[in-house]
Amino acid sequence: TQLLEQSPQFLSIQEGENLTVYCNSSSVFSSLQWYRQEPGEGPVLLVTVVTGGEVKKLKRLTFQFGDARKDSSLHITAAQPGDTGLYLCAGLMNYGGSQGNLIFGKGTKLSVKP
Amino acid sequence: DAGVIQSPRHEVTEMGQEVTLRCKPISGHNSLFWYRQTMMRGLELLIYFNNNVPIDDSGMPEDRFSAKMPNASFSTLKIQPSEPRDSAVYFCASRSGLTQYFGPGTRLTVL
Repeated sequence: TQLLEQSPQFLSIQEGENLTVYCNSSSVFSSLQWYRQEPGEGPVLLVTVVTGGEVKKLKRLTFQFGDARKDSSLHITAAQPGDTGLYLCAGLMNYGGSQGNLIFGKGTKLSVKP
Repeated sequence: DAGVIQSPRHEVTEMGQEVTLRCKPISGHNSLFWYRQTMMRGLELLIYFNNNVPIDDSGMPEDRFSAKMPNASFSTLKIQPSEPRDSAVYFCASRSGLTQYFGPGTRLTVL
């Protein structure tokens, strides 16, 4: 059973379109992160959200953490070919007050065509 | 800073052979993680260390896998004997606070 479900799995769009990808769980996380991974490289952290309902913007990317801290979304405005990659969400669960490990979703593979 | 360094970047070996993957974390980071990534299963945590001590190895598939961190600047993941189903990209990551940095990965192919 996958703890973090990401949807859609694959997304192919034209340059200039908007898109939203989702990350859902039945578990509560102390924080949630989004990463982007390009072929042949490791994932790179984009953002960390900590507070329920929090919204963070990174240029054309908008990240939202659900009020109950169980889900998150990533919205990209006017997508560009440079946005192409695998987008991974990861939830952090604390154990007894100490930081635990990240639980990763399987990712959304985004392709933006010029 | 050079970031997390992994070697080798690519490894092709035959079934039954021993494979050793190496990782140098970012200096000053006290947590180190080993992950495996495949199309089918995504990114899976194998083991992680805090201050060189293994904290959670529940993700290690079986006894053929072992990991060590003899000091704060070096870790190894060993597979002995290797099997074709071990073929995957193996990532090492180190963390400071909430920010986790991944290495470039080792692409392992077991024939």
